[in-house]
Amino acid sequence: GAGVSQTPSNKVTEKGKYVELRCDPISGHTALYWYRQSLGQGPEFLIYFQGTGAADDSGLPNDRFFAVRPEGSVSTLKIQRTERGDSAVYLCASSRAPRDTGELFFGEGSRLTVL
Amino acid sequence: GDSVTQMEGPVTLSEEAFLTINCTYTATGYPSLFWYVQYPGEGLQLLLKATKADDKGSNKGFEATYRKETTSFHLEKGSVQVSDSAVYFCALLRDGGATNKLIFGTGTLLAVQP
Repeated sequence: GAGVSQTPSNKVTEKGKYVELRCDPISGHTALYWYRQSLGQGPEFLIYFQGTGAADDSGLPNDRFFAVRPEGSVSTLKIQRTERGDSAVYLCASSRAPRDTGELFFGEGSRLTVL
Repeated sequence: GDSVTQMEGPVTLSEEAFLTINCTYTATGYPSLFWYVQYPGEGLQLLLKATKADDKGSNKGFEATYRKETTSFHLEKGSVQVSDSAVYFCALLRDGGATNKLIFGTGTLLAVQP
């Protein structure tokens, strides 16, 4: 597709459940980022992939959060034992190169609600 | 640590009014500064940027000047339109970093009324 695609757009789950969020970046973009945006806040960095490897996962809040990008394209953010505080919009972004003058191309996000 | 502070919204203006959205930052070194915009139902997109002191970024009639002495990057537009209604985010990219790891402000909602 032409832009970054994220699925699902909305996910409602119960506390304690497992959730997967998918991101399909722009074709040819080697760098992929996950951000989390809580209500009334700006996006907060979670993890960055360069190719298949997680080059910086310093933003992941705890070990319940994990992300993969096995073939260097599509990425999945996985959240185990969800908590109500995990409710947020999860944003994926991609860029052409590791440092591409700060221009990230964002998807519309996956809104996660944990009941 | 590095941070960005921007004025709280919502900002409500009439069409053709002058817009200013304030943004200040805290960072070591010489970060690059950005404004991103999120239109309703769309993903964030880059509006403009400035990479060094005194640079002026501009796009779609919006402007912002990188002021190192006041650590600011205020967004301005001389005459807003209804189509400018969106959420605006100020962001910085740390100097010397190896990635596009942006640090964002909390966002400012702009509502322009006809």
